[in-house]
Amino acid sequence: GDSVTQMEGPVTLSEEAFLTINCTYTATGYPSLFWYVQYPGEGLQLLLKATKADDKGSNKGFEATYRKETTSFHLEKGSVQVSDSAVYFCALLTLDGYQKVTFGIGTKLQVIP
Amino acid sequence: DTAVSQTPKYLVTQMGNDKSIKCEQNLGHDTMYWYKQDSKKFLKIMFSYNNKELIINETVPNRFSPKSPDKAHLNLHINSLELGDSAVYFCASSDWGSGNTIYFGEGSWLTVV
Repeated sequence: GDSVTQMEGPVTLSEEAFLTINCTYTATGYPSLFWYVQYPGEGLQLLLKATKADDKGSNKGFEATYRKETTSFHLEKGSVQVSDSAVYFCALLTLDGYQKVTFGIGTKLQVIP
Repeated sequence: DTAVSQTPKYLVTQMGNDKSIKCEQNLGHDTMYWYKQDSKKFLKIMFSYNNKELIINETVPNRFSPKSPDKAHLNLHINSLELGDSAVYFCASSDWGSGNTIYFGEGSWLTVV
C-alpha cells in the first residue's frame, strides 16, 4: 500500500539556520504530494503542494520539489524563524477508485532564538 | 467564515458514554473525511464520504459510526467510549480529484476518563 516515510524529530535549529526535512514515499500511480503544518493547539494547514514530477511547491519561504526518480519530496527553507516552530507532515494523495491521503509521522521543528 | 468547522473543540467524558462530534464545511466540496491523531501526532484516516456515500472505512471499531446527512456535513458518533479513544479527531473536506487540497478543521480534543 501507499506509505510516506518522514524523518523523526524533534529537529532543533537556531534562528536563521537552514532547514531540511526529508520525505520519501511509496505509491502506485502518480500521487500528488503535500506538506502540511500544524502549529501548537491548532489544526493542519496546507503549506505547499506539487501534483506532478519536477513540480516545485513553495510558500512562506518553504520549498519542496517532486522527485519521481528518488520518490522524494524534501522540505527546505533557507532561514528559519522562531514562528516556524511547529509539526510538519508530508502527505500523498492517490486517486485509485477512491481518494485517500496518507500522512507521514510528522516532524516536530523547534527554532530557538 | 471558517471553511471546515467542527464542534466541540474540547470534550472530556467518562468511559462508557456515547458522544458525537459534528462537522460542517462551507467550501462546496463533495468529499469529507475523519482523521484521528494520537498522542504521538500520528494521523490516520478513519472514514471518507463522497457525495454522502461511504468511500473509505479503515479498520475502525464499529463503536464509531459516521453519518453524512448531506454533502456539507459529516458527523462522528462514538458509542461506549474507551480510554484508548482519547485523541484529537480532525474533520476535513476536499473536491474529488487528483491534486485537490484537503482542508482540515481545527480538531476536536477528546479525553476519556
